[in-house]
Amino acid sequence: RKEVEQDPGPFNVPEGATVAFNCTYSNSASQSFFWYRQDCRKEPKLLMSVYSSGNEDGRFTAQLNRASQYISLLIRDSKLSDSATYLCVLTSYNTDKLIFGTGTRLQVFP
Amino acid sequence: DGGITQSPKYLFRKEGQNVTLSCEQNLNHDAMYWYRQDPGQGLRLIYYSQIVNDFQKGDIAEGYSVSREKKESFPLTVTSAQKNPTAFYLCASSPGQVYGYTFGSGTRLTVV
Repeated sequence: RKEVEQDPGPFNVPEGATVAFNCTYSNSASQSFFWYRQDCRKEPKLLMSVYSSGNEDGRFTAQLNRASQYISLLIRDSKLSDSATYLCVLTSYNTDKLIFGTGTRLQVFP
Repeated sequence: DGGITQSPKYLFRKEGQNVTLSCEQNLNHDAMYWYRQDPGQGLRLIYYSQIVNDFQKGDIAEGYSVSREKKESFPLTVTSAQKNPTAFYLCASSPGQVYGYTFGSGTRLTVV
């Protein structure tokens, strides 16, 4: 089983829609969780960290479910500029490295 | 402005040549990382360094070498032993894993 699994998509949604992505992880010792955004042919950029209590940043809401070992990202009122690949990223307690999912592609259309 | 700089942006290599990709950061981060990304695939870790003069192999270190002589710099050499070097190479740095990574803008390497 992969350490991090994401649905590759693409998720094609109209402007203004709400869309949610899930990401599952296999190592219950994972400590820190993040969502990164990667535009085509660009570097990944940190979108938001994911906290145990859940957290919100404008139109974006991140949730962590440790019991079921998944994190989620909800995007409300989608904009054309939200079109990108969203990477699920996490750390493990006993490693020095971040583990990256392969990403979920979002395409927002007019 | 603090940041992490990779150069060059595009690099073309002839078969059998070694090439070195530059990565410099002025964020005062201790840890630095090199990743490779192929189309349709996720990031794969090549090498990482937690401290000056020390580095560890990642998941796909064969055919690559690194050095960490200064805190700010972590160059990656792609050697002729790397059989399929055409890829997008990303350098990252971090003050600690709980803060995530900051990435450079990447180097796109093509073998011609």
